[in-house]
Amino acid sequence: NAGVTQTPKFRILKIGQSMTLQCTQDMNHNYMYWYRQDPGMGLKLIYYSVGAGITDKGEVPNGYNVSRSTTEDFPLRLELAAPSQTSVYFCASSYRDRVSGNTIYFGEGSWLTVV
Amino acid sequence: GQQLNQSPQSMFIQEGEDVSMNCTSSSIFNTWLWYKQDPGEGPVLLIALYKAGELTSNGRLTAQFGITRKDSFLNISASIPSDVGIYFCAGLGTGTASKLTFGTGTRLQVTL
Repeated sequence: NAGVTQTPKFRILKIGQSMTLQCTQDMNHNYMYWYRQDPGMGLKLIYYSVGAGITDKGEVPNGYNVSRSTTEDFPLRLELAAPSQTSVYFCASSYRDRVSGNTIYFGEGSWLTVV
Repeated sequence: GQQLNQSPQSMFIQEGEDVSMNCTSSSIFNTWLWYKQDPGEGPVLLIALYKAGELTSNGRLTAQFGITRKDSFLNISASIPSDVGIYFCAGLGTGTASKLTFGTGTRLQVTL
């Protein structure tokens, strides 16, 4: 079972470069999320999507952009990389259900270093 | 925004001991989730709680959704070396489903 797959696993960027972190899920989940985790900290929500064509800002959206053209994919774009964006990025997805609630499943993470 | 206080921040225990950790919130949550994160990996869901007062077990793990809906507890019985890792609580508030707030984590280390 693939679950939530994100690429690349590791990347080093120079200041000012751009890149896209890819995320895809095969569980037909309607909700998708991008979080970042700084060393020794919990996860902070960057952007989220409640369905194809719908995106919204989370807690720390500055410096990032997202799109959700399909249910499966939710790429995260960094336009002008800054050292403050050095972090571990996690993509996640969930299916909102009245009975079972909203259980979120995570990808394995993408380690990004901006130098 | 909502704040989640998770304690303890870290703990060293001996193999075979029981472990308790908890999270408290400044506001009410509708769902509590407990995750474990191993080094270099993403968080893996351990237990999900959906009702105030709910007590749920997953093997040696037991978690409870506090009656006030502002806290949750995770207990690990008879700890083993593979329990090492960082445990995160996460609370889902009222309103938009995406507002999942994470605690800062409890780092568990087990000594033989």
